[in-house]
Amino acid sequence: NAGVTQTPKFRVLKTGQSMTLLCAQDMNHEYMYWYRQDPGMGLRLIHYSVGEGTTAKGEVPDGYNVSRLKKQNFLLGLESAAPSQTSVYFCASSNSPNEQFFGPGTRLTVL
Amino acid sequence: KQEVTQIPAALSVPEGENLVLNCSFTDSAIYNLQWFRQDPGKGLTSLLLIQSSQREQTSGRLNASLDKSSGRSTLYIAASQPGDSATYLCAVIRSGGGADGLTFGKGTHLIIQP
Repeated sequence: NAGVTQTPKFRVLKTGQSMTLLCAQDMNHEYMYWYRQDPGMGLRLIHYSVGEGTTAKGEVPDGYNVSRLKKQNFLLGLESAAPSQTSVYFCASSNSPNEQFFGPGTRLTVL
Repeated sequence: KQEVTQIPAALSVPEGENLVLNCSFTDSAIYNLQWFRQDPGKGLTSLLLIQSSQREQTSGRLNASLDKSSGRSTLYIAASQPGDSATYLCAVIRSGGGADGLTFGKGTHLIIQP
């Protein structure tokens, strides 16, 4: 039982490049979330999903897109990366609005 | 808009002491409150979850209390150890299903001196 896993662990992009972060969970959770963590700002919700095929915007959705084609996977996409998107990205999952379990994070640097 | 504040921002105490971390939130209409631990460069580890109908939860040397009406929670750590050194985060989900995720405080950075 791996819990929540994230791929990749680290990535460096140039401004304007695109990439996709993958989150996978093996706990059969319905809800999945993407957060970003920045110094002095804490963790903030980017997008979330309440089930396969559904997505919704969180507090800071601009510049990101998401997809939930399979229940166990939640993808976060950056179409045109900007330096302001340099951050640590965390994925989480839960059953209903209950205890959330977090992945190890992806450290992204945009030059 | 819900705001979560954690006091103090940093705390350093000698090993063996009991300590209290504080968390306050502006909107008392919460579904639950969750305490996490985060080690440097790592993800978040869930410590305790308190449902809005509960007053406290305990796990080993940790005890978390919730006073929803006053918008406060405390995390009590008994007999602190150097391995407890980490950043502790408090987060809430609002009532109504909570599908909009957790609102986090900025954390308390805890150092336990050997």
